[in-house]
Amino acid sequence: AQSVSQHNHHVILSEAASLELGCNYSYGGTVNLFWYVQYPGQHLQLLLKYFSGDPLVKGIKGFEAEFIKSKFSFNLRKPSVQWSDTAEYFCAVGSGRFGAGTRLTVKP
Amino acid sequence: DAGVIQSPRHEVTEMGQEVTLRCKPISGHDYLFWYRQTMMRGLELLIYFNNNVPIDDSGMPEDRFSAKMPNASFSTLKIQPSEPRDSAVYFCASSLGGVKYNEQFFGPGTRLTVL
Repeated sequence: AQSVSQHNHHVILSEAASLELGCNYSYGGTVNLFWYVQYPGQHLQLLLKYFSGDPLVKGIKGFEAEFIKSKFSFNLRKPSVQWSDTAEYFCAVGSGRFGAGTRLTVKP
Repeated sequence: DAGVIQSPRHEVTEMGQEVTLRCKPISGHDYLFWYRQTMMRGLELLIYFNNNVPIDDSGMPEDRFSAKMPNASFSTLKIQPSEPRDSAVYFCASSLGGVKYNEQFFGPGTRLTVL
């Protein structure tokens, strides 16, 4: 089955810094990719998803992700993070499998 | 809609005891998923159902784990006997039409501690 890996376990940034979280998927035909976020004490919720078309996908709260087929990557980005972005971020593939997650801490 | 409902929210039990976790998916959703979250392994897919039928249970760690979905509005994940290494947060999620294209909606999770 298709799998996904996230190499950054914990990222610490100051407010206004730019963010990029890595996500790589294994080859497996058609690729459908998702980013989910889990804010402290809350449920996992969808940030954005990619199925086809424009490889640059925009999601909620100013997040975006770029699908790069040649690199098997789907990295999450945000130009300027806020303290409220402190959360755990999960990349997922269309088989229901998730990466290990990246904990983001934003210092005020 | 109330969202995905899980119970209990916290469970503390002793090694060897039976543990039953419960999930009520969002009404109308035809897929239900069970996940386990640990620091070491992240979010692992244990099993998923489509229209109450188990489709893929390859993630179930061993025979001590079993899951059922007797109807469209209820599922259980049972661990018997429980072991300390089963301590984790267990999430239930549901979706409409599968996860290849569709969003999963997660419950709040059950934090299980096995002493």
